[in-house]
Amino acid sequence: QVQLVESGGGEVQAGGSLRLSCAASGFTFSAYGMHWVRQPPGKGLEWVAFIRSDESDKYYADSVRGRITISRDNSRNMVYLQMSSLTPEDTALYFCTNHAEFFQHWGRGTLVTVSS
Amino acid sequence: VVLTQSPLSLPVILGQPASITCMSSQSLVKYDGNTYLNWFQQRPGQSPRRLIYRVSNRDSGVPDRFSGSGSATFFTLKISSVEAEDIGIYYCMQGTHWPPITFGQGTRLE
Repeated sequence: QVQLVESGGGEVQAGGSLRLSCAASGFTFSAYGMHWVRQPPGKGLEWVAFIRSDESDKYYADSVRGRITISRDNSRNMVYLQMSSLTPEDTALYFCTNHAEFFQHWGRGTLVTVSS
Repeated sequence: VVLTQSPLSLPVILGQPASITCMSSQSLVKYDGNTYLNWFQQRPGQSPRRLIYRVSNRDSGVPDRFSGSGSATFFTLKISSVEAEDIGIYYCMQGTHWPPITFGQGTRLE
């Protein structure tokens, strides 16, 4: 079955950097675009970034553009989110999810906490 | 595109029906004829789970008491008979005009 497992979250000071990873299995990873979606504590869902299956397109939310880079390694079935210049507003649970009809499968998320 | 859900909080009675609406600031009909409006359920402490895609298509394993309907700018998620396991927050999402992909604020079923 499809599994998405996020990792790399943690506590970081404002201005710091973090790299999130998502390990995918149970489907043909190289055929699908992938997204990151985040959820601040007690709040709703916010789309963060997308990468096409062949990396030909990458899109970002305005709130993170210029500070976050999405990438993938199809040989390892991995997708990454490199985050820099973090602010307390980036504190959230970060989910990776696949593009099939938008967000068919979700991981459990990895928590990023940015302290001021 | 702004999605506005109503109500934001919905007290329910087990065994009774429930309905959530999602209004879009613009039509969600894409040039390909499809309408990319999805519904998600998030139970307490869990990741979101997609229930419905493209307005009315139920995902595998989703009970048939859940149904989606609507067109253009107005959409509805209905639960024919609420069960205890349905308690949580429900979100609509649009993927017609993206980026960015946008979500509604969420409706808490309680």
